[in-house]
Amino acid sequence: GAGVSQSPSNKVTEKGKDVELRCDPISGHTALYWYRQSLGQGLEFLIYFQGNSAPDKSGLPSDRFSAERTGGSVSTLTIQRTQQEDSAVYLCASSSLSGATDTQYFGPGTRLTVL
Amino acid sequence: AQTVTQSQPEMSVQEAETVTLSCTYDTSESDYYLFWYKQPPSRQMILVIRQEAYKQQNATENRFSVNFQKAAKSFSLKISDSQLGDAAMYFCAYRSLRAGNNRKLIWGLGTSLAVNP
Repeated sequence: GAGVSQSPSNKVTEKGKDVELRCDPISGHTALYWYRQSLGQGLEFLIYFQGNSAPDKSGLPSDRFSAERTGGSVSTLTIQRTQQEDSAVYLCASSSLSGATDTQYFGPGTRLTVL
Repeated sequence: AQTVTQSQPEMSVQEAETVTLSCTYDTSESDYYLFWYKQPPSRQMILVIRQEAYKQQNATENRFSVNFQKAAKSFSLKISDSQLGDAAMYFCAYRSLRAGNNRKLIWGLGTSLAVNP
């Protein structure tokens, strides 16, 4: 079946503008994760959605970042009033949480550049 | 808090040779998963191999195998018969199995592997 998809692939924006990044998880996967991959800093966890439970937002770096997941499927990560330090690759992953095989499968990411 | 360390920012190997990438981690937990992911220039993070901490047997996937040393908290990846397509960034990652944990992955900074023809 289809893998995790993300859009746009690349996004260039001006400082202060809002951006929305989209993630389509693998069909049937109940868990969805957002990570940020910054140059030289590795990957950091941002937010986790699991079914209808309240999301774990513990990794969001500031209140300019928010995310939602509609209908337990598609997720949107929104960054308001973007700053240059927000420039990074934003990766989305999904998993089925089915026992031992809850491997996270990743999308190709969105490269965000804030000028 | 758990941490993952990859001490080799860059490695290179000749095609058809064997290379080992290092990973160490720090945790007070006894049950967890460890992963190696590969990220080629396409940015797609691809799972290479996974190890459950309760399993003593080292995981293998074709040309990829791990040397899991739980007491030493070491989890190295061995790539045998290296191929040009193996060139990529390799990330080591840890996942807690503690109840209530959100299953997030904790990542090392990666090792860039070059494969020379």
